[in-house]
Amino acid sequence: EPEVTQTPSHQVTQMGQEVILRCVPISNHLYFYWYRQILGQKVEFLVSFYNNEISEKSEIFDDQFSVERPDGSNFTLKIRSTKLEDSAMYFCASSEDRIPEAFFGQGTRLTVV
Amino acid sequence: RKEVEQDPGPFNVPEGATVAFNCTYSNSASQSFFWYRQDCRKEPKLLMSVYSSGNEDGRFTAQLNRASQYISLLIRDSKLSDSATYLCVVTHNDMRFGAGTRLTVKP
Repeated sequence: EPEVTQTPSHQVTQMGQEVILRCVPISNHLYFYWYRQILGQKVEFLVSFYNNEISEKSEIFDDQFSVERPDGSNFTLKIRSTKLEDSAMYFCASSEDRIPEAFFGQGTRLTVV
Repeated sequence: RKEVEQDPGPFNVPEGATVAFNCTYSNSASQSFFWYRQDCRKEPKLLMSVYSSGNEDGRFTAQLNRASQYISLLIRDSKLSDSATYLCVVTHNDMRFGAGTRLTVKP
């Protein structure tokens, strides 16, 4: 069964550093998403991406964040100048069509120290 | 009012019990509705879509009432493996998750 894969599974970084979280969406999917989940809290939408550009973003997705699809398979989330409160599980997801069922990767646990 | 609001739970039920989860949403223009389940420290996994006509998948039944902006999930004959957090998801321009309701099914 096709799946969304994310690397690394766990990333520890020092406050102020930049991190890049990587995702390989399901190959025939056209819509890509990033979500985050702070421990014990709900899943929060960050950004959606289609046709090589951002289609929607939440209030969380400020200038600290950026996304990119550098090649035909990877979809990345860059977080600049990380803060302690960026510590969370970051989930990548993809879908065949806009909005319907999205399939999630296993997540990258980001710990900022 | 929260965008997506769920029963806070937790629900602790014996095996074989029937349990119902409720969810309300605030945006009347919402387009699609889903139930996801999330195991501890794992990714959300799609359980089922929710339609106005109601839909059933084995022991699971989902219902949508657009007029009341209300979604429900019914689990019959609950199994130990049903223990998880159930997430109500509502979409308009993006997917908005409820905080989830934790279910523990006990022997």
